[in-house]
Amino acid sequence: LAKTTQPISMDSYEGQEVNITCSHNNIATNDYITWYQQFPSQGPRFIIQGYKTKVTNEVASLFIPADRKSSTLSLPRVSLSDTAVYYCLVGVLDTVRRALTFGSGTRLQVQP
Amino acid sequence: NAGVTQTPKFQVLKTGQSMTLQCAQDMNHNSMYWYRQDPGMGLRLIYYSASEGTTDKGEVPNGYNVSRLNKREFSLRLESAAPSQTSVYFCASSVPGNTIYFGEGSWLTVV
Repeated sequence: LAKTTQPISMDSYEGQEVNITCSHNNIATNDYITWYQQFPSQGPRFIIQGYKTKVTNEVASLFIPADRKSSTLSLPRVSLSDTAVYYCLVGVLDTVRRALTFGSGTRLQVQP
Repeated sequence: NAGVTQTPKFQVLKTGQSMTLQCAQDMNHNSMYWYRQDPGMGLRLIYYSASEGTTDKGEVPNGYNVSRLNKREFSLRLESAAPSQTSVYFCASSVPGNTIYFGEGSWLTVV
């Protein structure tokens, strides 16, 4: 299983861009990178997924360098409602078990 | 759409009691999972079921049993609850390896 390392916590202010980096040095060739967001007292929810280079959706962007040993989740212009825990997962699309390792995540606190 | 539904939402047990957490999904997903999340911690996989009729252990299976009753339902049973099992339990489902959809959680306290 690919182990991931993320910062434990980050602080930001409303309107700023936030970048959360995840290290996954032993990522396998077939592994995808997926990010989830969890609000207090709720289950995690999917944010974005990618394999290489850059992926963007209405919520965030995901940057993956050529060696794929890390990835960066970018949240543009955060608001107070973005305060949550963010999890980086690395796994294989066609294998159930390898997609399921959640680390401790990054606790993002957005201040007014 | 209901998505993933868990019951009960809150439960207090005495040490040694047994109980079953129920989970159902209406998205026709093959894969279902049970996680636990301790305060301030990440999620740890207890058991998963890749498809109807199959179950496998995750990271922390001791003290738990599961049943994949049919494609929709996946239950988690604590045979003899212990204080160390006080946690929030999340059920989830997915197409194998794809986006995982979580339920709202079940808060369990064992005293």
